[in-house]
Amino acid sequence: GEDVEQSLFLSVREGDSSVINCTYTDSSSTYLYWYKQEPGAGLQLLTYIFSNMDMKQDQRLTVLLNKKDKHLSLRIADTQTGDSAIYFCADGGGYNKLIFGAGTRLAVHP
Amino acid sequence: DAGVIQSPRHEVTEMGQEVTLRCKPISGHNSLFWYRQTMMRGLELLIYFNNNVPIDDSGMPEDRFSAKMPNASFSTLKIQPSEPRDSAVYFCASSLGPPSGNTIYFGEGSWLTVV
Repeated sequence: GEDVEQSLFLSVREGDSSVINCTYTDSSSTYLYWYKQEPGAGLQLLTYIFSNMDMKQDQRLTVLLNKKDKHLSLRIADTQTGDSAIYFCADGGGYNKLIFGAGTRLAVHP
Repeated sequence: DAGVIQSPRHEVTEMGQEVTLRCKPISGHNSLFWYRQTMMRGLELLIYFNNNVPIDDSGMPEDRFSAKMPNASFSTLKIQPSEPRDSAVYFCASSLGPPSGNTIYFGEGSWLTVV
C-alpha cells in the first residue's frame, strides 16, 4: 500500500537552515504537501507542490521534489524559534485522500 | 472563513460511555475526513465522505466507531462504548474535493481522554 516516511527528529540552531526529508511510494501522486502542527493545535497547510514541478519557493520555504527517487524535501531558511513544530509530509495520490508521514519534530535552539 | 469547526475541544469520559464528536466543515467543501492522532500510530485516516456519502471507512478501527454526515455542513463521529485505548486527538478536515484538488484543511481537533 501507499506509504510516506520521514525522519522523526531534527535539531537546528536559530538562524540556520532546516531541511526536512520525506520519501513516498505512490507513483501516481498528483500533489505533495507539507503541513505544520504546533503544540495543541491542528495541522496547518504550509505549502504544496504539483508533481510535474521540481521546485517551489514561498518566502523562507523551498520545496524540492525528485519524482524519480520519490523524494520530497522542505527547506526552511533562517530558522526561527517560532518554526519549532512537527512537520508532516503528505502524499495526495489516492482518490481525494492524503497519506501522512509520521511527522518530523523540529527543535530550534539558540 | 471560520475554518473547520470541531466540538468539543476537550472531553474526559469514563470507559463504557458514549462519545460523540462533532464537525462543521468549511462552507462549500464537499469532502470531509475524520483522522485520529496518537503518539504510537501517528495520524490515521478513519473515514471520509464525498458529497455526504461515505467513500472509504476502512480506517475505522472497529464496530464501536461510527460516523455520519446527514448534510453538507455537519458530521459526527461516535464511539460506543468508549475504551481507554480510544484516547487520542480526533481531527476533522475538509476539502473542495475532485476535480478542484485535494488540499485538506484541518480543524483544531477534539482531545479525548477515556479513563
